[in-house]
Amino acid sequence: EAGVVQSPRYKIIEKKQPVAFWCNPISGHNTLYWYRQNLGQGPELLIRYENEEAVDDSQLPKDRFSAERLKGVDSTLKIQPAELGDSAVYLCASSFGTDNSPLHFGNGTRLTVT
Amino acid sequence: AQKVTQAQTEISVVEKEDVTLDCVYETRDTTYYLFWYKQPPSGELVFLIRRNSFDEQNEISGRYSWNFQKSTSSFNFTITASQVVDSAVYFCALSGMDSSYKLIFGSGTRLLVRP
Repeated sequence: EAGVVQSPRYKIIEKKQPVAFWCNPISGHNTLYWYRQNLGQGPELLIRYENEEAVDDSQLPKDRFSAERLKGVDSTLKIQPAELGDSAVYLCASSFGTDNSPLHFGNGTRLTVT
Repeated sequence: AQKVTQAQTEISVVEKEDVTLDCVYETRDTTYYLFWYKQPPSGELVFLIRRNSFDEQNEISGRYSWNFQKSTSSFNFTITASQVVDSAVYFCALSGMDSSYKLIFGSGTRLLVRP
């Protein structure tokens, strides 16, 4: 099966610019996650979708971050405006089902804000 | 609150050595799940194993084995006869009702296997 696909792989932007990341989950996986991984740390959940519904966005900085998952398949994560502290790897993952199913991760988007 | 501690930041071994990666967790849940993921240089996290809190049986999969001990809140991972391809960052993670089944990751252990 094809894995989780993310693009772009790398992105360099200046602070205050907008940026968007795209994720295509594994076919048939109804749950989609966006994680942020800072250098030398484990991933931290930003938002979780079950189909089209965002069921956990408690860690998403809503003043500058937004996400959508139209039609319950692909998802886009946006930052506007970006800040220096947003530099990190943004990982998308998907799973079949919800609680405690193993997550399948994409390669991530490495964002550098200068 | 739930927490996962991986005290070993980096481990370096020579190929064919055995190596154990430590994981200690904290949770108030009686039902929870523990995971190990591998993150090679390519960046994607690869699922290795999931255990639930009611199953303390040790598990072996090829050169990999896992030792789950509730008494010490530990879920350690051992690689036997390590190979260069095992070089990666390994994450232990915890999920339970206390965190609304959100996966809580440790900070990871970077394993370097030298030829």
